[in-house]
Amino acid sequence: DTAVSQTPKYLVTQMGNDKSIKCEQNLGHDTMYWYKQDSKKFLKIMFSYNNKELIINETVPNRFSPKSPDKAHLNLHINSLELGDSAVYFCASSQESVTETQYFGPGTRLLVL
Amino acid sequence: GQNIDQPTEMTATEGAIVQINCTYQTSGFNGLFWYQQHAGEAPTFLSYNVLDGLEEKGRFSSFLSRSKGYSYLLLKELQMKDSASYLCAVRAGGSYIPTFGRGTSLIVHP
Repeated sequence: DTAVSQTPKYLVTQMGNDKSIKCEQNLGHDTMYWYKQDSKKFLKIMFSYNNKELIINETVPNRFSPKSPDKAHLNLHINSLELGDSAVYFCASSQESVTETQYFGPGTRLLVL
Repeated sequence: GQNIDQPTEMTATEGAIVQINCTYQTSGFNGLFWYQQHAGEAPTFLSYNVLDGLEEKGRFSSFLSRSKGYSYLLLKELQMKDSASYLCAVRAGGSYIPTFGRGTSLIVHP
């Protein structure tokens, strides 16, 4: 029944490691997103992706890369993890339209030690 | 870019009414959202305004004035479960990606 799901829910890892977070939506939406929410609860867009284009927030380091095997999935791969990457990462989806709201996944809590 | 401003924190009493304000500065405004986020959970959609005026949904209402770059979320008959962060988000410039404000943490006490 879950509309937008993410795995894992918690991720604890060492600095320098490479990790991936998976996201799946079963809403039939054509657009998916990755957001980062820091300790001050500020929600910042990282990527937006549909079958037409990938929009990247220019402030996102190139250690972060989205990978979309199909329309229902948008995974986030992170290379060479740094302490500052510790945050909650939310996946979201919507139908590409300026009137449509976004549906968020439950979040992945990443802690880099 | 967009500049979105909300109070950081508000407190209110159970059963009361609270108004959370959001001001924004943007070009090509194309809609404003309010989301609710409980601690440790994902944001959930509350309301969407694109035209001026008040949208009412049960205990929650949202107001928009495009000329003033201003919106508010009104919560009536407050319940303890309304304690959460309330996020204002603005779409502009032809993009479908909203920009979020920092959120207002609302604490409802007995």
